Amino acid sequence: RKEVEQDPGPFNVPEGATVAFNCTYSNSASQSFFWYRQDCRKEPKLLMSVYSSGNEDGRFTAQLNRASQYISLLIRDSKLSDSATYLCVVNSGGYQKVTFGTGTKLQVIP
Amino acid sequence: DTAVSQTPKYLVTQMGNDKSIKCEQNLGHDTMYWYKQDSKKFLKIMFSYNNKELIINETVPNRFSPKSPDKAHLNLHINSLELGDSAVYFCASSHTGGSGATNEKLFFGSGTQLSVL
Repeated sequence: RKEVEQDPGPFNVPEGATVAFNCTYSNSASQSFFWYRQDCRKEPKLLMSVYSSGNEDGRFTAQLNRASQYISLLIRDSKLSDSATYLCVVNSGGYQKVTFGTGTKLQVIP
Repeated sequence: DTAVSQTPKYLVTQMGNDKSIKCEQNLGHDTMYWYKQDSKKFLKIMFSYNNKELIINETVPNRFSPKSPDKAHLNLHINSLELGDSAVYFCASSHTGGSGATNEKLFFGSGTQLSVL
């Protein structure tokens, strides 16, 4: 089993739709979790951290389920500018032993 | 001002050559990294330095040699380039405070597209 797994997609959704991505991780001792966004031919940029209690930032909601070892990202009212690859990131140890998922590609269609 | 800058942005070279990629961060971070993103877009850590000391050295051919002259710089030198080295290389930095804190965010440079012909 891969350390961090994501559905590569692509997810093609119309503008205004709600879309959700999941990401599973294998190491139950993982300590911190993030969602990054990567636009085509650009560097990854932090979208949001994922907290145990769940967190929301505008149209974006991230949740963590430690029992089932997955994190999720929900995007409401999708915009064309949301089109990107969303990378799940899990930190399983000190000194930033981070593992990136392969990413889920989202394409928002007019 | 660019927070994490790496040069060059594009690097096209012949097999067997030696090349370097430079990275600098002005965020005051104490930890820097090199990541490789291959054609399948998988982003994998290569090296991590904390306060100029090597912390993480994943299974990378010893043709790859990182050098950190100070906390703000982490350069990557590659000897005897091979076709399989073609990829995008990202430099990144974070602040861990020397404790190996696990909740720190990564800031990436814009990447170096390396093409080995």
